[in-house]
Amino acid sequence: GPKVLQIPSHQIIDMGQMVTLNCDPVSNHLYFYWYKQILGQQMEFLVNFYNGKVMEKSKLFKDQFSVERPDGSYFTLKIQPTALEDSAVYFCASSLAGGLGEQYFGPGTRLTVL
Amino acid sequence: QQQVRQSPQSLTVWEGETAILNCSYEDSTFNYFPWYQQFPGEGPALLISIRSVSDKKEDGRFTIFFNKREKKLSLHITDSQPGDSATYFCAAERYAQGLTFGLGTRVSVFP
Repeated sequence: GPKVLQIPSHQIIDMGQMVTLNCDPVSNHLYFYWYKQILGQQMEFLVNFYNGKVMEKSKLFKDQFSVERPDGSYFTLKIQPTALEDSAVYFCASSLAGGLGEQYFGPGTRLTVL
Repeated sequence: QQQVRQSPQSLTVWEGETAILNCSYEDSTFNYFPWYQQFPGEGPALLISIRSVSDKKEDGRFTIFFNKREKKLSLHITDSQPGDSATYFCAAERYAQGLTFGLGTRVSVFP
């Protein structure tokens, strides 16, 4: 099936530093998503993005978070500054359609904040 | 408060048996329910999905049964194979919003 790639697979940083998580979505997809999964808990929606804009964000999408997809390249999630509670696996997803569209997920980036 | 609940937490079946995974939800505005299969170290992969206007969706050995009135659905895996051993997530979505996931059911199929 369609593949979503995520870079890096693991990232370890010190609290207060900035981190950028990269996502290479399915080539013809138009809608992009980030989800967060803390160990032992369910995956939770952070944000979705379409046509250069944030369409919807959850209460987990703090002010320290930002997303962008400059010039059709990687879809990125930036956290600045990071906090201990940001340690989690972050999954990127993309879909062709926005309303009830099938979302395809990447393998995740495991972020550890020390 | 979990909006999407799954049971059981884990399930063991023998090869060839039918595995039944249950899911319930709180919010009646949810209208799309995908099931995802996840293997260790990988992201969730879309397995099968159903919209709330339907009560059944079948794809090969995988069938979703949906009861809108009771806000419940189930995933049946018939003729279970060892390769089906994975964690299965029920998710729910209302139009143009992010998916709400359950905690998952870990399925083990023994030969």
